[in-house]
Amino acid sequence: GAVVSQHPSRVICKSGTSVKIECRSLDFQATTMFWYRQFPKKSLMLMATSNEGSKATYEQGVEKDKFLINHASLTLSTLTVTSAHPEDSSFYICSALLKTSGGSRTDTQYFGPGTRLTVL
Amino acid sequence: KQEVTQIPAALSVPEGENLVLNCSFTDSAIYNLQWFRQDPGKGLTSLLLIQSSQREQTSGRLNASLDKSSGRSTLYIAASQPGDSATYLCAVKDFNKFYFGSGTKLNVKP
Repeated sequence: GAVVSQHPSRVICKSGTSVKIECRSLDFQATTMFWYRQFPKKSLMLMATSNEGSKATYEQGVEKDKFLINHASLTLSTLTVTSAHPEDSSFYICSALLKTSGGSRTDTQYFGPGTRLTVL
Repeated sequence: KQEVTQIPAALSVPEGENLVLNCSFTDSAIYNLQWFRQDPGKGLTSLLLIQSSQREQTSGRLNASLDKSSGRSTLYIAASQPGDSATYLCAVKDFNKFYFGSGTKLNVKP
């Protein structure tokens, strides 16, 4: 099946620094990727939709200047948490959309293993 | 806006029991519904995907049903094993967006 990787799997940083998380589709091209955030014992919250070659679409309440998304190629999207603060500590998961000939109804998202961000 | 609810939030059963996890959603105009498994600190593993035109899907000891008109899905796990211990998430897809429930944390005791 399709594989999506994330790097790093775990990162600890000081408050005020920026952290970049990479999401790669290893064996397929993904024009669309998604970034989610998961709080402890909570569900996944969609943060933004990343489109290759264009600006990301952010969900309501997500600060686009704080969470920078770049989808520079068909296999790579990056999420940069700028000027990180302790409240940004969370589990971040990306997914990549594998498009099928059946259209949106059969397109499938494949999820990465997640990145645990801890801001001290 | 689509809202997905999962009941119960947590479940503890002895090994060998059959169990049912529930998922409900508010907007029946979905493309599909998917059940995932998440182990602590890990990403998501897809278990079953049911298209909106389907009623159920089976994989091994797992069976998922979908009643789109009533906004409900169930995940049935037969003969549970300690290795089934994890959090189970259901998600409904609306065009390209997934809406997730908050999950059911399952503990299967040996």
